[in-house]
Amino acid sequence: GAVVSQHPSRVICKSGTSVKIECRSLDFQATTMFWYRQFPKQSLMLMATSNEGSKATYEQGVEKDKFLINHASLTLSTLTVTSAHPEDSSFYICSAYEGKYGYTFGSGTRLTVV
Amino acid sequence: SQQGEEDPQALSIQEGENATMNCSYKTSINNLQWYRQNSGRGLVHLILIRSNEREKHSGRLRVTLDTSKKSSSLLITASRAADTASYFCAADAGNMLTFGGGTRLMVKP
Repeated sequence: GAVVSQHPSRVICKSGTSVKIECRSLDFQATTMFWYRQFPKQSLMLMATSNEGSKATYEQGVEKDKFLINHASLTLSTLTVTSAHPEDSSFYICSAYEGKYGYTFGSGTRLTVV
Repeated sequence: SQQGEEDPQALSIQEGENATMNCSYKTSINNLQWYRQNSGRGLVHLILIRSNEREKHSGRLRVTLDTSKKSSSLLITASRAADTASYFCAADAGNMLTFGGGTRLMVKP
């Protein structure tokens, strides 16, 4: 079956620094990758959608200059949280879509900004 | 809002009882999916029901879909303590998933 690897699973960073999260499809090429944010006891909120080689499409209210998404290949997308602040602390989840497998989710990254 | 709605938001039952969760969505869909999430963990895909299906079963799970009402329900029969988790519906409009608010299920032993 399809597997998506997301790293790191947990990260703690200082306020003002940047953090990169990787999302990799291991055994398939993803047409599209999605990034979600989930606050405690809440649902997943879509942040952005990215296709390989093109700019990401951000949802309303998501700052594209703060949450940089790079989708350099059909198997790798990265989310960089720039100048992180405590309010950016959250659970970030990626998902990769391919027609045969549908949507496959990574295991998530718990970001804590101190 | 990009989210659909789920109810109840929280549900507490005894082991052996059935648990029913409801989901409403806003757009036309290709399919509707249900996911489970244990606290602080990733999503586990449970079941997918296509827009032309009305009911689907998988083990102890039963899903219904009413496209005229834009609603779906998930029934977990003979619940177990290990079923304690959050459950989310996700509406697939063809180019993205839109998640419901989720139901936090607690099954007491």
